[in-house]
Amino acid sequence: NAGVMQNPRHLVRRRGQEARLRCSPMKGHSHVYWYRQLPEEGLKFMVYLQKENIIDESGMPKERFSAEFPKEGPSILRIQQVVRGDSAAYFCASSPNEGNSPLHFGNGTRLTVT
Amino acid sequence: EDKVVQSPLSLVVHEGDTVTLNCSYEVTNFRSLLWYKQEKKAPTFLFMLTSSGIEKKSGRLSSILDKKELFSILNITATQTGDSAIYLCAVVPRTSGNTGKLIFGQGTTLQVKP
Repeated sequence: NAGVMQNPRHLVRRRGQEARLRCSPMKGHSHVYWYRQLPEEGLKFMVYLQKENIIDESGMPKERFSAEFPKEGPSILRIQQVVRGDSAAYFCASSPNEGNSPLHFGNGTRLTVT
Repeated sequence: EDKVVQSPLSLVVHEGDTVTLNCSYEVTNFRSLLWYKQEKKAPTFLFMLTSSGIEKKSGRLSSILDKKELFSILNITATQTGDSAIYLCAVVPRTSGNTGKLIFGQGTTLQVKP
């Protein structure tokens, strides 16, 4: 029973390029959450999605960032025109429902912008 | 603004020592508090606490919540080098049943020396 799968593990992009981060939730989980961990900081909520719907994107920067969770396939976090300040570890988590279940996190994607 | 504060930020002990990690919080509407252990990759779930005064225990780890004083502690007895990690505390606000929008503290980095 595979856990939350994220890829790539490491991603290097030059300033101005696009970054695409993928997340496949645990089997049977239909709720996906993206978090960002900046150096020396805790995890910060970015966005919460269910299949084909963005439920809460209050933690996501208004520009250059977008997320989707299509009917088929993984959830994608997309960062356009990356800047150095986007360098961070991006974690995806999933849960089976809105009940009182703890989140299960993936291993994260470490994005480095040069 | 909702916030979670952990202390100490870092801690170095020797194998066999007992450690207590602290987590205090300010949340408008509290639902639950979670502890995670983060080694080099995914945060892994340790405990979820919803009620005051009830100790949760797993092996050498235990945790308790005080909803009146708004804090939780995580105890690790007879520490081992494998306990070296970042310990994250997170609070779930009671907002529209969304239990995935966690508010994390900065984490406590624990190093256990042989």
